[in-house]
Amino acid sequence: EAGVTQFPSHSVIEKGQTVTLRCDPISGHDNLYWYRRVMGKEIKFLLHFVKESKQDESGMPNNRFLAERTGGTYSTLKVQPAELEDSGVYFCASSRLATLTDTQYFGPGTRLTVL
Amino acid sequence: KNEVEQSPQNLTAQEGEFITINCSYSVGISALHWLQQHPGGGIVSLFMLSSGKKKHGRLIATINIQEKHSSLHITASHPRDSAVYICAVDMDNTDKLIFGTGTRLQVFP
Repeated sequence: EAGVTQFPSHSVIEKGQTVTLRCDPISGHDNLYWYRRVMGKEIKFLLHFVKESKQDESGMPNNRFLAERTGGTYSTLKVQPAELEDSGVYFCASSRLATLTDTQYFGPGTRLTVL
Repeated sequence: KNEVEQSPQNLTAQEGEFITINCSYSVGISALHWLQQHPGGGIVSLFMLSSGKKKHGRLIATINIQEKHSSLHITASHPRDSAVYICAVDMDNTDKLIFGTGTRLQVFP
């Protein structure tokens, strides 16, 4: 079974540009999560999809961030326009069931550098 | 063998019990994270530590860098502590984060 994959692994852009990150969850996993890790700081929750619906987007920092999961399969996270403070590693995770016993499987992350 | 191992995988406790969850890792790290996941929810960061001990309320996290081991303790456990607890490590000199598979804790009244 393939794990969670993310693309690209690294992205370097200039301030004001747009970047789109992609996450492919494990097949059959209804739950998909996005997290962000700013260098040297704690991991922060961004949002949670159940299939194509946003279950919880309380962690999205501002309206420059837009997440979608059309069709309930892969998800994209767009940052437009990017700012310097958006630099960090963006992790995606997926899980099958929204119960106590479900395990979140994490992708390798996308490292975003905004110059 | 996973680079980050947690034990136990599943844990049940009675309200009021003292709980310990362990995390061992095999790589050089710059920091270790303890994370909490409630049913169906996203993950919340509990601690980030690189040495010694940290305390927040009834939660205590310790790390022994030489032994490559960390523990998360919960004192006077409560049913609302029921969750999955995940250990994750920052690999040295990279921004790679390696996650453990989690410990599922259920605390009964």
